[in-house]
Amino acid sequence: DAMVIQNPRYQVTQFGKPVTLSCSQTLNHNVMYWYQQKSSQAPKLLFHYYDKDFNNEADTPDNFQSRRPNTSFCFLDIRSPGLGDAAMYLCATSRAEGNTEAFFGQGTRLTVV
Amino acid sequence: GEDVEQSLFLSVREGDSSVINCTYTDSSSTYLYWYKQEPGAGLQLLTYIFSNMDMKQDQRLTVLLNKKDKHLSLRIADTQTGDSAIYFCAERAVNDYKLSFGAGTTVTVRA
Repeated sequence: DAMVIQNPRYQVTQFGKPVTLSCSQTLNHNVMYWYQQKSSQAPKLLFHYYDKDFNNEADTPDNFQSRRPNTSFCFLDIRSPGLGDAAMYLCATSRAEGNTEAFFGQGTRLTVV
Repeated sequence: GEDVEQSLFLSVREGDSSVINCTYTDSSSTYLYWYKQEPGAGLQLLTYIFSNMDMKQDQRLTVLLNKKDKHLSLRIADTQTGDSAIYFCAERAVNDYKLSFGAGTTVTVRA
């Protein structure tokens, strides 16, 4: 059974039109991450939540925001998508102690038209 | 990740062994991981090794860790076409829970 679920798998949005990607988990992990992955590159961490605490990476554009209403759900909001934001967006979860292996969802492929 | 380096491409014949190498810079790394990513999918954890171990074997996978040289390798025995994917090395530092990923090695298995 999938433990980290991302919806939708594919999302097409218009240039400048706000879009939200969602992620849910059944692992009860206290850390949830959002990564951006462009073609043939490593995943780039945008931000993460440790419980309710939001941690932004220094180089993440303001255009990207996130919400975590409860332990199970986390959302990625792109306020005004540009063509350069087309990418695979990966959600992951982990514990914060011991073996903090990250469990990834299947990703959402975002296309901006 | 700038702290984790991998060669970008590996081509291997079906049935041969594949060896994917990774170097890292953080000597305080506690756990080191290998992830596999197939086209259009998320990352799947293959295996991990704790920093006090030298080797870990799991079926066709063998992980070797050389802490002195900060070198990690993943050997896949009897490589199959289904092993074609991108393989990411990742490390976790002792005072952090986040993982730092390498750029990934694209493995192509040819018949």
